[in-house]
Amino acid sequence: EDQVTQSPEALRLQEGESSSLNCSYTVSGLRGLFWYRQDPGKGPEFLFTLYSAGEEKEKERLKATLTKKESFLHITAPKPEDSATYLCAVQPNDYKLSFGAGTTVTVRA
Amino acid sequence: EPEVTQTPSHQVTQMGQEVILRCVPISNHLYFYWYRQILGQKVEFLVSFYNNEISEKSEIFDDQFSVERPDGSNFTLKIRSTKLEDSAMYFCASSGGAGGEQFFGPGTRLTVL
Repeated sequence: EDQVTQSPEALRLQEGESSSLNCSYTVSGLRGLFWYRQDPGKGPEFLFTLYSAGEEKEKERLKATLTKKESFLHITAPKPEDSATYLCAVQPNDYKLSFGAGTTVTVRA
Repeated sequence: EPEVTQTPSHQVTQMGQEVILRCVPISNHLYFYWYRQILGQKVEFLVSFYNNEISEKSEIFDDQFSVERPDGSNFTLKIRSTKLEDSAMYFCASSGGAGGEQFFGPGTRLTVL
């Protein structure tokens, strides 16, 4: 069974204080690893897809990396608008995504 | 920018009633999905749909659930006889290809009383 574990559960940062979120996974065969952002009461918003170990993707203050067993989402110099829950999901086949529980990030001005 | 839309945004129903949740996927997408998120829990996969048939479903997706693409734009999830534990946010998603990025709608909050 696919397992996705995200840590920490919650992260409180000062504006400008960089940090990293972790997503460790166990899956029979990884087709892709996805990062989403979710605001309260909203649907997940797509951020990145990573397909192979060593791959990196960047978008504004966010950078995602992938190894064979985990992925990291680095937030550089965060702003209050980066406050959200960040979800990691693995895709073992062509279809379903298996999500982790998420890391809730709060950035204080 | 194309987006997935869902209606209604909030549905309140009595236990045992049937509900239909509606979604309009992104227009050129071919793969469609339903997920649900019980308050405070993970997003859970329910079903995927391609070429007018179910391609994969989870253990949650039992006989009380069904999906349909009644026309070229809509994708629906029907729950035949709702239970209290069906209360959750239901998200529709679509992707352009197998294994591609899945784009989610804003969700329908289903409350079963």
